[in-house]
Amino acid sequence: EAGVTQFPSHSVIEKGQTVTLRCDPISGHDNLYWYRRVMGKEIKFLLHFVKESKQDESGMPNNRFLAERTGGTYSTLKVQPAELEDSGVYFCASSQEEVDGYTFGSGTRLTVV
Amino acid sequence: GENVEQHPSTLSVQEGDSAVIKCTYSDSASNYFPWYKQELGKRPQLIIDIRSNVGEKKDQRIAVTLNKTAKHFSLHITETQPEDSAVYFCAASNGTASKLTFGTGTRLQVTL
Repeated sequence: EAGVTQFPSHSVIEKGQTVTLRCDPISGHDNLYWYRRVMGKEIKFLLHFVKESKQDESGMPNNRFLAERTGGTYSTLKVQPAELEDSGVYFCASSQEEVDGYTFGSGTRLTVV
Repeated sequence: GENVEQHPSTLSVQEGDSAVIKCTYSDSASNYFPWYKQELGKRPQLIIDIRSNVGEKKDQRIAVTLNKTAKHFSLHITETQPEDSAVYFCAASNGTASKLTFGTGTRLQVTL
């Protein structure tokens, strides 16, 4: 079984540019989550999809962040325009419906310079 | 909302010793408490979890205890090995498949 896959693994962009992160969850997992870890701090929740619907987007920092999950399969997280404070590791995770325990992807390390 | 505090931030133990990491949470509605291990450059991996209807759970050298009254839970690793070196995160949530609130992580170093 393939795990949760994230692309790219690393991204370095200039302030003001746009970056799109992609997450492919485990096949059949309806729940998809985005989290972010800023250097040395906790892993913070961004949002939660159930299939293609946003179940909880209370962690999205501002309207420069846009997440989509068209068709309820893979998800993208776009940051536009990127700011320095957006730097960090963005993790995606997925889980089956009504089952505890996520499977995380390896993350995308985003550096905004 | 939920707030999870985790201590210590770093922990160094000698191989064979035990390691204990402690977390407290604020939301009494939280009922699921997983622990994740993240090795350098790798993904966080679930190593053990506990639900609020259980006080303790053990899996080989790893155990987790939960005190609902005091709102704290702890990870215990016995007979530590160098491969246990990693960052450990505790987390809490209040429902199946709900968002997790993480602690700030503990960097465990097991020395020879």
